[in-house]
Parts: sequence; C-alpha cells; structure tokens
Amino acid sequence: KAGVTQTPRYLIKTRGQQVTLSCSPISGHRSVSWYQQTPGQGLQFLFEYFSETQRNKGNFPGRFSGRQFSNSRSEMNVSTLELGDSALYLCASSSGTASYNEQFFGPGTRLTVL
Amino acid sequence: AQTVTQSQPEMSVQEAETVTLSCTYDTSESDYYLFWYKQPPSRQMILVIRQEAYKQQNATENRFSVNFQKAAKSFSLKISDSQLGDAAMYFCAYRIPVNYGGSQGNLIFGKGTKLSVKP
Repeated sequence: KAGVTQTPRYLIKTRGQQVTLSCSPISGHRSVSWYQQTPGQGLQFLFEYFSETQRNKGNFPGRFSGRQFSNSRSEMNVSTLELGDSALYLCASSSGTASYNEQFFGPGTRLTVL
Repeated sequence: AQTVTQSQPEMSVQEAETVTLSCTYDTSESDYYLFWYKQPPSRQMILVIRQEAYKQQNATENRFSVNFQKAAKSFSLKISDSQLGDAAMYFCAYRIPVNYGGSQGNLIFGKGTKLSVKP
C-alpha cells in the first residue's frame, strides 16, 4: 500500500504570493490532518478534514485554508505569504475517527518564503 | 490548555545501551491518548508507541517501552539495545478524544528530543 504522498516536496515563493500544497492519503483513509513544523514553534496543528468537511481547526490566521475532495485528497492554501510561513508542512492520514488511531505522516512540503 | 513538554532538547546514547526520553504534559482531561513519534533525518514521521490513559499497563513495542505515570502526568520513552537507526528526533504527543463530527482530535506535540547514537 502506498504511503501518504505530498506534492511538491519543495517550494520557493516570495512574500505576498499564494501557494497550494497537495496531500494524497493512504488508500482508504478518509481523515487528513495538516501540521506546520518550524524550528521555533515546533509542530502545530492547522486543520483536520474528514469526508470533505473541516472537522477541527488550529489557531492559525484565515490566510491558511484547506479543502478535501471526494477521493479524500486534500489541499491547503496559504494566501499573502509572509516570511514566517516558511516551514515544513506535514500532512497525515488516518483510517478512522477513533482517537487512538495512528496518523500516518507524509514526507512534507518544505516551503521557503523569500 | 493542554501542553506537552520535553525537557531534553538533545540526548546521546552508546549503541546497545539504554536511553530514556522524558515527557510531561498538562491537562485537566481524564481520558486521552499519548504517543511517541520518531522523525528520522529523512523527515517522514512514524509512530513508535501509543498509550491510552485509562490503561494502567505501560505499552511496549519490541525495544521501545513507556513509563506512564498518570498522576504525575509523565510519559517517558525507554529505548533498549539502542541501534544506529534509532538516531532521530523524537516527539511526544497528546490527543484528547473528540467524538463529534468525525474528528479524532488533533495531536499536540512537544518540541522534540534529538537522539544521537554513538557506534
């Protein structure tokens, strides 16, 4: 079974631009979560999607948005990029909604904002 | 608010020796889950071990075991017979069960402990 895939793996953008990151979960997984990882703040939760609906949201500004498609693939979008948005963005998928379920992480997308 | 603290930014262990990584958390919940994740230099995070708070017995997965002290809100990870492949960032994480609308609740991570294994 293929793991969680994220595209692109690396991105370089400039301030003010917008960016879209993509995540394909493990086949059969319907829950997708996004996390931002930075050296200063560590790993922070962005949002969680299940069956095309956002079920849970972290404390990030409205510039960060996401969506999930009927095939469970998910995208996240960051508008009006700021230098502080430079980070590794991790996507994780899970087979179910039980809280003890393992989240399987993708390799991440490294976003650099210049 | 729930918080997770890993007080050891870096640790080092000799190959074949045992090392313990510390984690404490703060919560007012009685039901929750705790996890240790490993992030090797390649960056793909993988689950090492999980513990359900209502279970008294400490979880064990091969060379990995935890010491879960609920009253002290402590959840340490012990790695026995350390191997070179154990070198990685280790993250302690906490999750409360959220049983509405299909959400499984988000993970709250500690800042991580970088483990080096010396040959």
